[in-house]
Formats: sequence, structure tokens, C-alpha cells
Amino acid sequence: AQSVTQLDSQVPVFEEAPVELRCNYSSSVSVYLFWYVQYPNQGLQLLLKYLSGSTLVKGINGFEAEFNKSQTSFHLRKPSVHISDTAEYFCAVSSSPGAGSYQLTFGKGTKLSVIP
Amino acid sequence: NAGVTQTPKFQVLKTGQSMTLQCAQDMNHNSMYWYRQDPGMGLRLIYYSASEGTTDKGEVPNGYNVSRLNKREFSLRLESAAPSQTSVYFCASSRTEERRTDTQYFGPGTRLTVL
Repeated sequence: AQSVTQLDSQVPVFEEAPVELRCNYSSSVSVYLFWYVQYPNQGLQLLLKYLSGSTLVKGINGFEAEFNKSQTSFHLRKPSVHISDTAEYFCAVSSSPGAGSYQLTFGKGTKLSVIP
Repeated sequence: NAGVTQTPKFQVLKTGQSMTLQCAQDMNHNSMYWYRQDPGMGLRLIYYSASEGTTDKGEVPNGYNVSRLNKREFSLRLESAAPSQTSVYFCASSRTEERRTDTQYFGPGTRLTVL
């Protein structure tokens, strides 16, 4: 079985400050990793994903994430946040082929609040 | 290009009532999904459909049924609603049958309350 832990349920940060949202996963097989963002009263949209190759993944809106296999982490970062980044962020892990039936597991979410 | 649309946006049911949540996508995607989102729980997969005519159970299928009516439409039915099914329901779609790696595109959600 796989699981995802988002270590912070809420993260307040001042505008133009850097932010890191933490995500750890556990799985006995190879995984694919995703970050989705949910703006208030909307559905989720993809920020970025790691499938293979370079462990540093760049996404939309200036976000990036680094896959660290030894620490089973996939932390999301942005060097300078904007008010419009206020949203809830979800880390998700998908099991690789050959790992049995399809399973996509979401973390419980981190609410990012950007303070003017 | 509307993307993924869901109807209704809001619904209140009494325990034991039935209803169907509708979902349609206009992106010619092969795979479609139904999730529920509960506070502090993230999203949990109810059912998914890798292609027209096929459906598979997800993490929390009990109390639900689905129909992949055609390539565009994927409906979720609650036969006898229970208060535990109070939630926000999201439909999503992805381009291919490679659901492990594909980006999923989400609808705006349906807020369901069961009294």
C-alpha cells in the first residue's frame, strides 16, 4: 500500500517571501508524483509532475519540486509568492505499472495563505 | 471548450433518496474518474473508467454505482443516500488510458448534503 503525508496543514507566508510545502510518501514500488492546486470553490489543476529523469521539476506559476528518492520526499517550492497563490495544494502519488491495480493517493492538503 | 462540466452544483437529499451526478468532458479524453473530497481527507477515488464501456472500483466504491454512457459522459449514482455521503464530488478526465501518468482535468465539483 502507498501513502502520502503532507506535513503542514496550513502555511501562512508573507507576499514575496519564499515558501516550501512538504510532501513525503511511502511505497514499496516505484511511483509517479504530482502536485495539484485547488483555488477556492474550484476543481484541482495540475501544477507539476515527476515521472522520470531530472529530479527537479518545474511547473506552472513559478513553482518547482524536487524528487528525493532516498528521503521519499517531493517538496514544492516557490522563491517568491504572490497573493494569487493563496490556495490549497495537494501532493499525490500514483503506483507504477506492474504494481498491481491502479491507485492514485492524495495527501490531505496544505492550505497556503499569502499575507499582504 | 468547456473542459469538464458537472451538474448539479449543489444538492440536498434526505436519507434514502437517490440521485445521479452528471459529468461530461469535451476534450475527447479516454479516462474519467469520480472522487469525493472531505475536510482534512484529501481526495479519494470512488470509481474510474479507462475507456468507454469499462469501469473499475477505486478506494471507496461502496454505496455508489457508475455508468460510462459514452466517451463524453460518466455518471455517478447514489441509490440510497446516507449522511456519510455528504461530501464534495469531483469528476475528472485524462487523455489516454495511461492513468498512472496522465494529467487529470477536474470539474468544478458538486456539493452534496444528505440530511
